Amino acid sequence: SAVISQKPSRDICQRGTSLTIQCQVDSQVTMMFWYRQQPGQSLTLIATANQGSEATYESGFVIDKFPISRPNLTFSTLTVSNMSPEDSSIYLCSVDGLAGGPTYEQYFGPGTRLTVT
Amino acid sequence: GQQLNQSPQSMFIQEGEDVSMNCTSSSIFNTWLWYKQEPGEGPVLLIALYKAGELTSNGRLTAQFGITRKDSFLNISASIPSDVGIYFCAGLTYYGGSQGNLIFGKGTKLSVKP
Repeated sequence: SAVISQKPSRDICQRGTSLTIQCQVDSQVTMMFWYRQQPGQSLTLIATANQGSEATYESGFVIDKFPISRPNLTFSTLTVSNMSPEDSSIYLCSVDGLAGGPTYEQYFGPGTRLTVT
Repeated sequence: GQQLNQSPQSMFIQEGEDVSMNCTSSSIFNTWLWYKQEPGEGPVLLIALYKAGELTSNGRLTAQFGITRKDSFLNISASIPSDVGIYFCAGLTYYGGSQGNLIFGKGTKLSVKP
């Protein structure tokens, strides 16, 4: 499996500001995803980060609120824009498959714990 | 949309006891994954299942892919304090090379008394 790191690991932000979360993988992967995990809850997919094209967003999530970049096969960013306290969550990136095809197994980064005051 | 019903929601057991948890759905999945999440960490993949009826072990953990492809269970034998955490099931569908979304259960929180 790949080694996945996220920055920052945690942050406390003021409402109305934006935070960009980075996800770095130590090898090329086919697919990268961003999830949100609200306190005490399960994981919800925000979007699939597509290399070289716009991300694919799930129902309830929009590009203006959660812009995503994926410039290459090892790196992606998620921005949480114009934050409100309801955005306080753990944000997780995950990956599937070394470049060449999916393995249908997803591996997760350690998460970014965001608190919005 | 697809939903997974994971039970039990929480378990309080004595060290040394066996644990069983399961996930059911009205939808068919091609892959079942079981994860463990500890406080302050991301989910860690424990076991992946690909075929209906498949039984797979990883140390003291055993998981099975249900024959109907709509359910899966995870057993932990002889539990130890480090088994504490939240266990998530997740189901994945794919069609003709296109991958659907990974759907997560709500989790089973396991507490182990030494």
